[in-house]
Parts: sequence; structure tokens; C-alpha cells
Amino acid sequence: DAGVTQSPTHLIKTRGQQVTLRCSPKSGHDTVSWYQQALGQGPQFIFQYYEEEERQRGNFPDRFSGHQFPNYSSELNVNALLLGDSALYLCASSRQTPVLDPEQYFGPGTRLTVT
Amino acid sequence: AQSVTQPDIHITVSEGASLELRCNYSYGATPYLFWYVQSPGQGLQLLLKYFSGDTLVQGIKGFEAEFKRSQSSFNLRKPSVHWSDAAEYFCAVGSGGGADGLTFGKGTHLIIQP
Repeated sequence: DAGVTQSPTHLIKTRGQQVTLRCSPKSGHDTVSWYQQALGQGPQFIFQYYEEEERQRGNFPDRFSGHQFPNYSSELNVNALLLGDSALYLCASSRQTPVLDPEQYFGPGTRLTVT
Repeated sequence: AQSVTQPDIHITVSEGASLELRCNYSYGATPYLFWYVQSPGQGLQLLLKYFSGDTLVQGIKGFEAEFKRSQSSFNLRKPSVHWSDAAEYFCAVGSGGGADGLTFGKGTHLIIQP
């Protein structure tokens, strides 16, 4: 079992550009959540996707959008990048029926640097 | 709105000594509580979780945590730390059985002295 995978590992972008980050969930999982972790901070919940729809959203602007594909993989898109978007972006996968496996499994993250 | 407070930004402990990391939460209903560990450059690994039942939960790597509803706390403990325990520790609260987005604390950085 490969666990949760994310790509790319690192990324450098310029202010104003757009970026797409990718996540493949753990086998058997149907839900993907995205988190932003700024340096020295705890992860902050961005949004969650289930059945190809945004199920829940944290306090992030519309510049942050996502998508989930039929194979449950997911993308996080950030438009009009700001310096403050520099962070580690974590993807977590889970089952929507947590009684079976009540845990969110995290990937290694994508380090985004905006210059 | 739910929130998590980890009062200690840094904690230094000698190898072999006991450890307690503090976590206080704010949540309107019965919380789902988690402790995660993050090594440098790595993702998060779940140490333990509390959903219901016994308020003392055992986790991996010899860690345990106790849920105290009256104090809104979920402190993490380990009787004897090892140098490999040096890492960042995050407490988190969630709902929906853990299926919903989690709210994390800012973390406690654990330093192990030889």
C-alpha cells in the first residue's frame, strides 16, 4: 500500500502565478482533505472533497479551489499567488464512513515557495 | 467554532525522563481528539485518538493521552523519552468521527537532551 502520495515535492512560483498540487489517496479511501501549514504553525484546513464535490471548506479565499476525480485523487489550485501562500501543503485521505477507519492519513506534503 | 491551544511552544526533556505535552480544546459537543507527530520535512503521523469510551488512550511509540472533559484537556504523556522522539507534536480536534476537517493547535517542539 503506497499510502497518500503528493506531487510535486517542492515548487517555486512567482507572485501572481497559478499553481496546481496533486494528491493520490490511500487505497480504499474516498475522501481527500487539504491543509496549509505555514512555517512554525499548525496545519489549517482548506477544504475537503468527497464524491467529486467540495464537502467542507475552511476560512480560505476563493483563490483556493480544488477538484476530485473519479479515482478519488485530488488537485488543489491556487490562483494569483501571494507571498503569504508560501507553505507546506498537506493532503490527507480518509473514509467518509469513519467507523471503518476513523483516521485521516497524511501525505508528505508539497513545499510551495512564492517569490 | 472549535479551537485548540497548545500552551508550550518548546519543551526540553532529558533522555529517559518523562514527558507531558499539554492540549486544551474548545468544542461545543463531544470532541474527536487526536495527537499527531511531525518530523522535519515529513508529513503528519497519528500517535493516538480519542472518540469515546475509556478516557485514557494508548497510542504508538509508547505514548498515551488522557481526556478530561471537565478541564477540556487532552494531554499527551510518555514515561520515558528517547532521542528519536524529538519532533513537532500537534493536538487536533474534529467532528464527524474524524471525517471532517481537523482544527490543529500551533504545535509543541520537543527537544531531547542527551
